[in-house]
Amino acid sequence: GAVVSQHPSRVICKSGTSVKIECRSLDFQATTMFWYRQFPKKSLMLMATSNEGSKATYEQGVEKDKFLINHASLTLSTLTVTSAHPEDSSFYICSARDLWELASSYNEQFFGPGTRLTVL
Amino acid sequence: GNSVTQMEGPVTLSEEAFLTINCTYTATGYPSLFWYVQYPGEGLQLLLKATKADDKGSNKGFEATYRKETTSFHLEKGSVQVSDSAVYFCAPLYSGNTPLVFGKGTRLSVIA
Repeated sequence: GAVVSQHPSRVICKSGTSVKIECRSLDFQATTMFWYRQFPKKSLMLMATSNEGSKATYEQGVEKDKFLINHASLTLSTLTVTSAHPEDSSFYICSARDLWELASSYNEQFFGPGTRLTVL
Repeated sequence: GNSVTQMEGPVTLSEEAFLTINCTYTATGYPSLFWYVQYPGEGLQLLLKATKADDKGSNKGFEATYRKETTSFHLEKGSVQVSDSAVYFCAPLYSGNTPLVFGKGTRLSVIA
């Protein structure tokens, strides 16, 4: 159980185009999903916290108009990189928490396999 | 703010060597503590966890003990294998629905 999927796993696009990445919790409901970005050989940087039915909360320095996040249901959040540029090339990872585990002490975050974006 | 400090890598060990990766966290409240592992080209997988002081998390031969007195959660394995080569992340969870705070990660390379 507790599987998070991401689609696509890898995408290559031209500069100036927009790319949408989907994050799904397959066997549990998640009111909150998190989007991280990872540069080569670096740690994960939290970009935003996505709450179902409301606007995402972005971390300082993350452009909300560039990285559009939508969390329309308890099992799906999307990240759209708008007008992508080569510097947006990175590994994007989403994460989700089980709604019913919020009250427990574990409160584990389940991670998707990541999406590698390359902007030419 | 809340933070975590991990041992700088990369760490290169021979097969069957003993591994320790240090991790300390800021002592704000009583976080749950996690170690995640990232194999090359993949996402993060939970390796082990501990939710209260003196708890020991263990999995796949790895262990870590929640040390409240030293605010540490060091990862250990008695005999590493080549397949353990990966990046290891220490991550405390401070409260409620806040996101995990990640350390910089420690890259481990195990050579035969």
